[in-house]
Amino acid sequence: EAAVTQSPRNKVTVTGGNVTLSCRQTNSHNYMYWYRQDTGHGLRLIHYSYGAGNLQIGDVPDGYKATRTTQEDFFLLLELASPSQTSLYFCASSERDSNERLFFGHGTKLSVL
Amino acid sequence: GEQVEQLPSILRVQEGSSASINCTYENSASNYFPWYKQEPGENPKLIIDIRSNMERKQTQGLIVLLDKKAKRFSLHITDTQPGDSAMYFCAASPNSGTYQRFGTGTKLQVVP
Repeated sequence: EAAVTQSPRNKVTVTGGNVTLSCRQTNSHNYMYWYRQDTGHGLRLIHYSYGAGNLQIGDVPDGYKATRTTQEDFFLLLELASPSQTSLYFCASSERDSNERLFFGHGTKLSVL
Repeated sequence: GEQVEQLPSILRVQEGSSASINCTYENSASNYFPWYKQEPGENPKLIIDIRSNMERKQTQGLIVLLDKKAKRFSLHITDTQPGDSAMYFCAASPNSGTYQRFGTGTKLQVVP
């Protein structure tokens, strides 16, 4: 089973704070994704990448930046956090493209006070 | 025109009966339809998927049906057990270079 590791597992910050969420996958998957999960909305894609240095926007990118520094590492950046960004964030990966199963990390619970 | 609608949002069934969850999609180019199960406090995990070249797929008590003309697909869980209680998400992927869009989820409760 593909391993996707997220850190931190929990994070609390204040409005206007700077937050970086980290994700690492060790299976040489090409695609990596950042989703947020909110009750009533399911999972919504923020950003995704199909390789080191590549970045694509998803459906809810406003207020988020992302960077794929290596094949393994994908970061989500909130430079001016707002309470509306309080959510459960999942990183996921897929081997070749989006027409394959996603492997999810265990999530980061972010609270913006 | 990319949304995935999922119903019902909550489903309560008697142990041993069947449960059905329905999803519709808008993008006619969608060709991959996975289903994920998420247990409380856990991450979503794939349980079954179907591609657009199939109309039906079955594995271990799960059946997925795909009606491309109606842009509708569904998950059927036969002989439900308490361990089937969880959130279920459908998703659709329009083509290989993009990403999976998810439905809003169904909370399944299997009661004795």
